[in-house]
Amino acid sequence: EPEVTQTPSHQVTQMGQEVILRCVPISNHLYFYWYRQILGQKVEFLVSFYNNEISEKSEIFDDQFSVERPDGSNFTLKIRSTKLEDSAMYFCASSVRRAQPQHFGDGTRLSIL
Amino acid sequence: ILNVEQSPQSLHVQEGDSTNFTCSFPSSNFYALHWYRWETAKSPEALFVMTLNGDEKKKGRISATLNTKEGYSYLYIKGSQPEDSATYLCAFNTDKLIFGTGTRLQVFP
Repeated sequence: EPEVTQTPSHQVTQMGQEVILRCVPISNHLYFYWYRQILGQKVEFLVSFYNNEISEKSEIFDDQFSVERPDGSNFTLKIRSTKLEDSAMYFCASSVRRAQPQHFGDGTRLSIL
Repeated sequence: ILNVEQSPQSLHVQEGDSTNFTCSFPSSNFYALHWYRWETAKSPEALFVMTLNGDEKKKGRISATLNTKEGYSYLYIKGSQPEDSATYLCAFNTDKLIFGTGTRLQVFP
């Protein structure tokens, strides 16, 4: 069964550095998402992406965050200058259509030192 | 702010017991309600997407019901098995998913 894959599984970065989290969504899916879960808290929506543009973003998704789908297969989340509070598990998801199940990757654990 | 609540937070049951938990969500502007099963160190696995009031969906021993007028959904597990141990998340679907905190289920042999 097709899967959403995320790399790396764990990223450790110094505060202030840039990180890029990578995702390969399922190939025939059209909607792409990033979520995160800070330890002990709910899974939170960050951003949705459709037709090569952001369709919605949360308050968390400020100017430090950006997303790209550079080559039709990868979907990346960039954090320009990381802060301690960016430490979380970041999940990528994709779906065929809205109100269809979103398929999640295994996540990237981001640790900011 | 849209809020999704789940109860109980955690549940411990014996193998063979049936169990159920609740998800409550805003009853206005309903689009869809998702249920996910999330095992530790794995990705959330989609169980159901429910869209119609009164909907009931079933997958093996797991079933779910939906009441959009009052804003709740129940997930039932019949004859729980140790492999059912996981966190069960519900999520309210607008253009994005708004997740509840989850119900952590542990099934003891």
